[in-house]
Amino acid sequence: DQQVKQNSPSLSVQEGRISILNCDYTNSMFDYFLWYKKYPAEGPTFLISISSIKDKNEDGRFTVFLNKSAKHLSLHIVPSQPGDSAVYFCAASVYFNKFYFGSGTKLNVKP
Amino acid sequence: EADIYQTPRYLVIGTGKKITLECSQTMGHDKMYWYQQDPGMELHLIHYSYGVNSTEKGDLSSESTVSRIRTEHFPLTLESARPSHTSQYLCASSTDRALVSGANVLTFGAGSRLTVL
Repeated sequence: DQQVKQNSPSLSVQEGRISILNCDYTNSMFDYFLWYKKYPAEGPTFLISISSIKDKNEDGRFTVFLNKSAKHLSLHIVPSQPGDSAVYFCAASVYFNKFYFGSGTKLNVKP
Repeated sequence: EADIYQTPRYLVIGTGKKITLECSQTMGHDKMYWYQQDPGMELHLIHYSYGVNSTEKGDLSSESTVSRIRTEHFPLTLESARPSHTSQYLCASSTDRALVSGANVLTFGAGSRLTVL
């Protein structure tokens, strides 16, 4: 049973607009969440993370929101740039033991 | 500035061959992982280790084996490769310490793309 789900396989956004990528999880014990960006034939690159004691974390154009009651995580990219086009994975862990990944959302930012 | 190194990056071999995918990290992390990923699919955990001489199978069954004789080294071996083993294999390591929320606690290597003919 998949504990981390990304229900949108793809997202297309115009350059300069906001990209919102969503992630849902089922395990209420998860206490740390991460977002990764991945290109084909490369390893995932860390973007941003958040502890369960917070509900928002911001780093430049990237902001992650955590809604624990809804077991929902989202990544906002503002403004979106063509170089952001990639597959984005969310991941979750319980006290940094084993990390569970969603199936990814392919973001396409159109110039 | 890669702190976790995987070799080879690409490997094409014939059925029945034995292969070893190498993974080394210089961060002193105790925990290391192997994930398998097919295009468009999630990353599946196939092996993990919480320290030297500690190895466990992950959530996805795999015919591969791993060893952890040194903290920095976590190789994966397939004794007899088959076309069904064709995939991307990703090695990662993690720390227990997230001093501040927002830290990167799980670092990946560049991956090894295996094709078995």
